[in-house]
Amino acid sequence: DTGVSQDPRHKITKRGQNVTFRCDPISEHNRLYWYRQTLGQGPEFLTYFQNEAQLEKSRLLSDRFSAERPKGSFSTLEIQRTEQGDSAMYLCASSPEPRRGGTYEQYFGPGTRLTVT
Amino acid sequence: GIQVEQSPPDLILQEGANSTLRCNFSDSVNNLQWFHQNPWGQLINLFYIPSGTKQNGRLSATTVATERYSLLYISSSQTTDSGVYFCAVGYNTDKLIFGTGTRLQVFP
Repeated sequence: DTGVSQDPRHKITKRGQNVTFRCDPISEHNRLYWYRQTLGQGPEFLTYFQNEAQLEKSRLLSDRFSAERPKGSFSTLEIQRTEQGDSAMYLCASSPEPRRGGTYEQYFGPGTRLTVT
Repeated sequence: GIQVEQSPPDLILQEGANSTLRCNFSDSVNNLQWFHQNPWGQLINLFYIPSGTKQNGRLSATTVATERYSLLYISSSQTTDSGVYFCAVGYNTDKLIFGTGTRLQVFP
């Protein structure tokens, strides 16, 4: 399977615990994105990387959230001191680097569903 | 920022019926994608269509960028078409802005 993969698929944690999710993009894609989706809503952008550089962060990404892509391949998203409001589906996507002024299609992984009790 | 509105919010069809889903956006875009989200949450790419018309089997899509809307057509619907359909847009930015989706239910 050469699509975007995410691990774990489901995570249940207690409030106050730290959690970490992993995303492996499509191998030739150098752009990687994180989105969050709550029940009944469309996904919302959190942050994205070009290779190992984090180029944009949404204001949704509070200081309890940190994302890394240390070698420009896989990425991790960590949430510290989880709160019940963090319960959501966390989606990862990847795309090739677009040409100047252009865009490319983004491809999504299966998501990690987080439940904070 | 760009606002994305999708209509209708809910659609109930009998198998074999045709349907049209609409996506309106508030500003110029150079990225527009249609997705189908299955019951397990996976977003499946349907079309990358910043402008023009594309067809893939029973599905087709048209984007009229100058008038800021896109349409997704589903013909001869099947129960497996059930799920939520999202339109997502972007303009010279690498983030996609999603609409709130159209929930489609197809009954046999």
